[in-house]
Amino acid sequence: QVHLQESGPGLVKPSETLSLTCTVSGGSITSPTYYWGWIRQSPGKGLESIGSVYYSGTTYYNPSLKSRVTISVDTSKNQFFLKVNSVTAADTAVYYCARAYVGLGVYDSWGQGTLVTVSS
Amino acid sequence: EIVLTQSPGTLSLSPGERATLSCRASQSLTSSFLAWYQQRPGQAPRLLIYGASTRATGIPDRFSGSGSGTDFTLTISRLEPEDFAVYYCQQFGSSRLFAFGPGTTVDLK
Repeated sequence: QVHLQESGPGLVKPSETLSLTCTVSGGSITSPTYYWGWIRQSPGKGLESIGSVYYSGTTYYNPSLKSRVTISVDTSKNQFFLKVNSVTAADTAVYYCARAYVGLGVYDSWGQGTLVTVSS
Repeated sequence: EIVLTQSPGTLSLSPGERATLSCRASQSLTSSFLAWYQQRPGQAPRLLIYGASTRATGIPDRFSGSGSGTDFTLTISRLEPEDFAVYYCQQFGSSRLFAFGPGTTVDLK
């Protein structure tokens, strides 16, 4: 049973960089069957896909966030990462990491989510 | 870019009733890549249906999905207390991008 766990600062100052790590256990991040993605949810709002990464390092980004977002992977640590530059209060959200099944185009396993607040 | 619209925004029902949720796409979708998720308060979303109509592992058979092209439906045949939640449809596009609908809240009447 795969398990995903987000970690990182819960408070980030405006204009700075938000950085999160997702640690995967119970499965290998190098499996060709899966993408690894980030999704966020602003308070009281719906789900917004940020982007995803394949174990090879190939990335796919939401066009609305692409200019500020970097997703990367470290296969040696079974981790993948999210960076969002130049954050504002609008980036305050619960950030989820999740596993996506390539052949089905679905997120089949999710982390519990971590709240990141952008505030001075 | 394909946009998903869900209706109604809120569905107020009682336990035991039938819930019918709609997801409409701005362009025709490959049914293989239309999914439904349930999100209970304070929890991460949970995959319910993939391929428009296939239940994910462990999902009760009171949940069913149907549809093709631009119109898709999630039906909950008899609502249980734990089914009161928010439901999202999601599509996976040819550019390998995921997109979610705005959600439908099923709440207690």
